[in-house]
Amino acid sequence: GAGVSQTPSNKVTEKGKYVELRCDPISGHTALYWYRQSLGQGPEFLIYFQGTGAADDSGLPNDRFFAVRPEGSVSTLKIQRTERGDSAVYLCASSAWGGGAYNEQFFGPGTRLTVL
Amino acid sequence: AQSVTQLGSHVSVSEGALVLLRCNYSSSVPPYLFWYVQYPNQGLQLLLKYTSAATLVKGINGFEAEFKKSETSFHLTKPSAHMSDAAEYFCAVGGQGAQKLVFGQGTRLTINP
Repeated sequence: GAGVSQTPSNKVTEKGKYVELRCDPISGHTALYWYRQSLGQGPEFLIYFQGTGAADDSGLPNDRFFAVRPEGSVSTLKIQRTERGDSAVYLCASSAWGGGAYNEQFFGPGTRLTVL
Repeated sequence: AQSVTQLGSHVSVSEGALVLLRCNYSSSVPPYLFWYVQYPNQGLQLLLKYTSAATLVKGINGFEAEFKKSETSFHLTKPSAHMSDAAEYFCAVGGQGAQKLVFGQGTRLTINP
């Protein structure tokens, strides 16, 4: 009974580098969400997938951030030209159906990204 | 637009005492409301949710919350704190048809022996 998994658990990179963060949702969950949690803050929504398509990407802060979910399962969050302000914990969640907010989102443990 | 305000970034109570964590929300549509708990180095875990059924919602680990529309509040309570309740608690709001959750800034709960 695997939950949502995220890899790596920790990522340290240098300013200007490219990083990829991976999320494996719960098997069968069609909806997948990415959130970003900065130190001392609550999670902030980044993007939501229903199947393979991004249904809402209004939370992506700028065009350096991009996410894909090519087969409707695993998702990758990609950050180009990283900046120190990108340092945060990136959370992934999945839910059984994306039709309403009452469908529980199950969260992974997060990837802690540190940009030096 | 939706928003959440959690009053008190840090709450400290004695073991066995009442726990009260405050959450006020703003929503232009009927809200769905959630409380999540986050233990150190772990993911968020759902404690309870309000989805327009009963206004008093019971969750896991003895927690409950009451939806008060007139006060736009969804405060979390537990009658008797246990040491294992020490964690970060987040209130969140979502709307029907909206997939994203909007979280408050969190309240760190400390339990004193």
